[in-house]
Amino acid sequence: DIVMTQSPDSLAVSLGERATINCKSSQSVLNSSNNKNYLAWYQQKPGQPPKLLIFWASTRESGVPDRFSGSGSGTDFTLTISSLQAEDVAVYYCQQYYTSPLTFGGGTRVEIK
Amino acid sequence: EVQLVESGGGLVQPGGSLKLSCAVSGFTFSGSAIHWVRQASGKGLEWVGRIRSSTNSYATAYAASVKGRFTISRDDSKNTAYLQMSSLKTEDTAIYFCTRRDDYSGKPIDHWGQGTLVTVSS
Repeated sequence: DIVMTQSPDSLAVSLGERATINCKSSQSVLNSSNNKNYLAWYQQKPGQPPKLLIFWASTRESGVPDRFSGSGSGTDFTLTISSLQAEDVAVYYCQQYYTSPLTFGGGTRVEIK
Repeated sequence: EVQLVESGGGLVQPGGSLKLSCAVSGFTFSGSAIHWVRQASGKGLEWVGRIRSSTNSYATAYAASVKGRFTISRDDSKNTAYLQMSSLKTEDTAIYFCTRRDDYSGKPIDHWGQGTLVTVSS
């Protein structure tokens, strides 16, 4: 199984400042046949199901604000919130969908400082 | 509007069985894979298993933690998927989410239900 490791477990950021979350996979999730990284980011607010933010490591889902961006390739990935807003308080998960079993990172809790 | 609505959760004793349903609307069910994901209280997300579309022979796959105890099925005529759980353990206690993944594009899970709570306790 591919193990997904997120860091940090939590972070507190001031409103308007940048938040950066890291995700590392135990093996590459880059498909060499189509040059796509099978890495997604989800946002989960309290009492709600997760919401897809980013797929193919860097493609924003429709309707997701452009302050959210994803980067990375192979085994190392980053989710960046360029200017944190109050509504971004949530837990963020990375997930590999390259192979079964699909696996998630442990989550990163983002709070306002 | 895409909707996935889970039902069938509840309290069950260890060793017991429970069957969850997932009724979907707003997208082409027959072209979608259905994945079940669970989340214990205050914990992270755990993939449970999936069933693919008829084009992909309704292939199923399961997490090691549930293999041999859980079975995923679907009825395309009813736009409904199921999760049959047996030999339940206390560690199966969680919110169970029904989710959808396009079975052709390779994109990840893009829609989630609100979840149904399963509590395994004596």
